[in-house]
Amino acid sequence: SQTIHQWPATLVQPVGSPLSLECTVEGTSNPNLYWYRQAAGRGLQLLFYSVGIGQISSEVPQNLSASRPQDRQFILSSKKLLLSDSGFYLCAWSSSFRTPLHFGNGTRLTVT
Amino acid sequence: TQLLEQSPQFLSIQEGENLTVYCNSSSVFSSLQWYRQEPGEGPVLLVTVVTGGEVKKLKRLTFQFGDARKDSSLHITAAQPGDTGLYLCAGLTQGGSEKLVFGKGTKLTVNP
Repeated sequence: SQTIHQWPATLVQPVGSPLSLECTVEGTSNPNLYWYRQAAGRGLQLLFYSVGIGQISSEVPQNLSASRPQDRQFILSSKKLLLSDSGFYLCAWSSSFRTPLHFGNGTRLTVT
Repeated sequence: TQLLEQSPQFLSIQEGENLTVYCNSSSVFSSLQWYRQEPGEGPVLLVTVVTGGEVKKLKRLTFQFGDARKDSSLHITAAQPGDTGLYLCAGLTQGGSEKLVFGKGTKLTVNP
């Protein structure tokens, strides 16, 4: 069966510090991978998606970047965090754009 | 522009009551997905509806896709405290560039 792992679960970082969130998927090959941000337990905003190694599409301009160094690894990064980067970050995978998403358990990021 | 409007935003009911939450749009979707999210976790898929007028039942949950594929509803019969959570609908847009757009969710609390 397929599983998705996302870590860390919680993170407190000072403004201006770097960020690296990692997500890995097991049990499937060549998945679509996604990073979402969720504000205050509400709707999901798509940040990045990837259809293959090294292929990253950005949905919104921001202080963050994403990379996919391996088929089942997706990384969300920032060189310098802003207060506005605080939120709940969710990684997800799907077999295609038409199939449902499978989410990780998220990372609660607080920038202080 | 919010393509999917969910209502109500918040709902607090007593155990045993019935409820309906709505997901509405002026846009037509290829399919519509419903997810439930518990605090501190990622959303989990409940159902996907594809055909206009389709009705799917999942135990006490009944999902309906509108005839014109622009709206959907989720009806819960005899709600239980375990139904508490954030219910999110997500529609797959049509056209050459398919995207999954999420509503902001309905936060349901079922009190014992």
